[in-house]
Amino acid sequence: AQTVTQSQPEMSVQEAETVTLSCTYDTSESDYYLFWYKQPPSRQMILVIRQEAYKQQNATENRFSVNFQKAAKSFSLKISDSQLGDAAMYFCAYRSNQGGGSNYKLTFGKGTLLTVNP
Amino acid sequence: EPEVTQTPSHQVTQMGQEVILRCVPISNHLYFYWYRQILGQKVEFLVSFYNNEISEKSEIFDDQFSVERPDGSNFTLKIRSTKLEDSAMYFCASSERAKHEKLFFGSGTQLSVL
Repeated sequence: AQTVTQSQPEMSVQEAETVTLSCTYDTSESDYYLFWYKQPPSRQMILVIRQEAYKQQNATENRFSVNFQKAAKSFSLKISDSQLGDAAMYFCAYRSNQGGGSNYKLTFGKGTLLTVNP
Repeated sequence: EPEVTQTPSHQVTQMGQEVILRCVPISNHLYFYWYRQILGQKVEFLVSFYNNEISEKSEIFDDQFSVERPDGSNFTLKIRSTKLEDSAMYFCASSERAKHEKLFFGSGTQLSVL
């Protein structure tokens, strides 16, 4: 079974600064997706960024980028020019892309609570 | 952007009562899911549903839980006899295809069992 580990329960960053959230995962599969979801106080799950395992290029989405190290099974999220609205719980998640199954089961980490200081 | 809609946003019930949580997935989506998040803990997969049947369920999804797509638009999660430990945020989600890269989540139903 796959596992996702987020070793930083809490992080803080000054507004306009850069912060990196860590995520490691364990899998024996070669074809999968990795995701970062943001959960603000409203508790809605918002997709921030996704990475396909077979793509070597790191995904970027405006101020959000990832550092995907497949061999090390590491998938960190970098937030540049942090804004007050970035304050939220951030979850790393894994999804298998192998097999012919019809499910989209995500395995989540425990989350990192990001505080942005003005 | 299209949205997954969940109702109610909050539900309070007494232990032992039945509850039904409702979801309206995005209209052209074919794959539907329920996830649960106990306060302060990670989000956990409960069940996936396709072509009017369960395609996968977790160990959490025991006989007290059931899902149904009673018509062309709604997707429901029923808990037959609620327990205190069922208190959680329940998220509905849908995707267009089985391996589509984007899963759309609803805003959740907070269930409180007293």
